[in-house]
Amino acid sequence: DGGITQSPKYLFRKEGQNVTLSCEQNLNHDAMYWYRQDPGQGLRLIYYSQIVNDFQKGDIAEGYSVSREKKESFPLTVTSAQKNPTAFYLCASSSGQGTDTQYFGPGTRLTVL
Amino acid sequence: AQSVTQPDIHITVSEGASLELRCNYSYGATPYLFWYVQSPGQGLQLLLKYFSGDTLVQGIKGFEAEFKRSQSSFNLRKPSVHWSDAAEYFCAVGHDSNYQLIWGAGTKLIIKP
Repeated sequence: DGGITQSPKYLFRKEGQNVTLSCEQNLNHDAMYWYRQDPGQGLRLIYYSQIVNDFQKGDIAEGYSVSREKKESFPLTVTSAQKNPTAFYLCASSSGQGTDTQYFGPGTRLTVL
Repeated sequence: AQSVTQPDIHITVSEGASLELRCNYSYGATPYLFWYVQSPGQGLQLLLKYFSGDTLVQGIKGFEAEFKRSQSSFNLRKPSVHWSDAAEYFCAVGHDSNYQLIWGAGTKLIIKP
């Protein structure tokens, strides 16, 4: 089955540690996205990538980093510079145009202790 | 500024009753409009989208939405809700020149038995 996988589903880290969230898609999509979701705030875009080896900052990129070395993979690193990293993180992909449907993974809930 | 407003944070309806969730947008160009649904702790699933043409759009799970340009609205409706419709619903706006979607804060739907 085609889809997007995110791992792990739950992640706990100590304050000051970097952590990497995995996102893999087998939909052959060019574009991939990372969102952060906090209660009552909807989705906020962290980074997006339109093509391999290229990515752009979204609205809240500070304290995060990404890479896009393969079409299928778009890992997100939450660095120690992110002041409030505890949140639900969603990865999405689309075929490439801005108006195309974005397909979402199941999400990773990160808790920083 | 571009924005999406979902005025209702929570809505409670009885099972079998009709539903309307409101979405208003402020967008400079002709918008592309989406409704997504999110079950607790899960990713988002597309319910329906509007790009052009007929302003009444049919989606999955018996949902429909109507685009009203004069009111800058794209309200989601369902004639009879089921307990399984309990979830959070997000409205989003995009444009074909932009990869970023603008998201509303979401409306949580609660179903009374």
